[in-house]
This record gives sequence, structure tokens and C-alpha cells, in this order.
Amino acid sequence: DTAVSQTPKYLVTQMGNDKSIKCEQNLGHDTMYWYKQDSKKFLKIMFSYNNKELIINETVPNRFSPKSPDKAHLNLHINSLELGDSAVYFCASSQGRGQPQHFGDGTRLSIL
Amino acid sequence: QQPVQSPQAVILREGEDAVINCSSSKALYSVHWYRQKHGEAPVFLMILLKGGEQKGHEKISASFNEKKQQSSLYLTASQLSYSGTYFCGTDAGSARQLTFGSGTQLTVLP
Repeated sequence: DTAVSQTPKYLVTQMGNDKSIKCEQNLGHDTMYWYKQDSKKFLKIMFSYNNKELIINETVPNRFSPKSPDKAHLNLHINSLELGDSAVYFCASSQGRGQPQHFGDGTRLSIL
Repeated sequence: QQPVQSPQAVILREGEDAVINCSSSKALYSVHWYRQKHGEAPVFLMILLKGGEQKGHEKISASFNEKKQQSSLYLTASQLSYSGTYFCGTDAGSARQLTFGSGTQLTVLP
């Protein structure tokens, strides 16, 4: 059973388009996260979210927005894609602060 | 602010030991360690909470010096499977999120 699953695994699209990445976890965790990993492997937090609170990293452009239909899902919507958005995006979940984070396999986004 | 990891890269022979360091300029609530193999997701290794505790799992252990805001990951008698990039993630309290270091690329050769 996959604990944290992301779709799609690969996403190739043109600059200016809008796209979404889906994430689901079946671990019963309360908190979910989105990370961006660039070509230099730098892993950067974008959002963390539980059913009470959304924490947004201040450096994330407002073109990026998380959407959570329920506790087990946290999707990432990106408007007006730019070349610099090319990266691997990881979803993760945990039982809360100070608990292990479980990562999905990542979505490799390439902007043409 | 991003924690500082050192070294950036290390090459070992099977059976040798390695130490990876992580330091922060902020007071830390916890330090997480993850390993990522090429093309894969980061995988959790261990968490250290403030209190100067040390944890271990088989031949991989870690320590956390709360006063110095430093953590070290110890890999003893390294195996080929230990190869990958090791990241420390720090929770500095007010942010309530993990900030990851730039990673240490560990290569174990036969």
C-alpha cells in the first residue's frame, strides 16, 4: 500500500499554463506538506497544512495555492507557470510537529 | 534560515565510518535526518528533540547538542546501501516547519 501518493509523476507543459498536482495519504496523518526540490537538490518547504491552519512560506509566489478537499488530500495548483517553476515537487505528511515526515515519490515538472 | 551541513560530499570505502554535521543559528525544537537516493523520495532516518539526546538505529546514530544548536549523524561500518544524499531538517520553533540543509552526498565504494 502506498502511504503518500502523488499524480502525475511527470508533468511537461508550456509557460503560462495552469496545472495541478494531486496528493493523497492513507496514513491518517493530520498534517500535509508541499516541498520544491530544485536542480541543485535544495529541498524547500512551500506549505504545511492541517485541518486548522495553513502555513505559507513567505517566499512562495501567490501563483501557487494549496487546496485540501479533506484531511487525506492536499493538492497543489499553479497558475501562469514560469520557467523557474521547473523542479521536483514532493508532497509529505506527518502526524504533527516533531513527527517523521513521509514523502511521496515526487512530481517532475518541466516547463517548455 | 537554512542550517549549514558539512561536509558537502564524502567518499568512503565499505566498512569505513563517516560523520555528517548540521548546525543552526536558531534555537531548535527538533532536528530531523533524511536520506535521499538518486531519483527517489527522501526517506526518514531519525528525529532528535531538544534535550541533548542521542539516538541510534543499527549502525546509524545521531546526537543533538541543544546548547550549540548542532546535530551530527554517525554512520559506522558503512555499507554500499548507505550511498545517497543526507539532509538535516531543522524545526526552529516559531516557523513550525522544517528547513532543510543543502545536503551531504555520501558515496560508498566497494
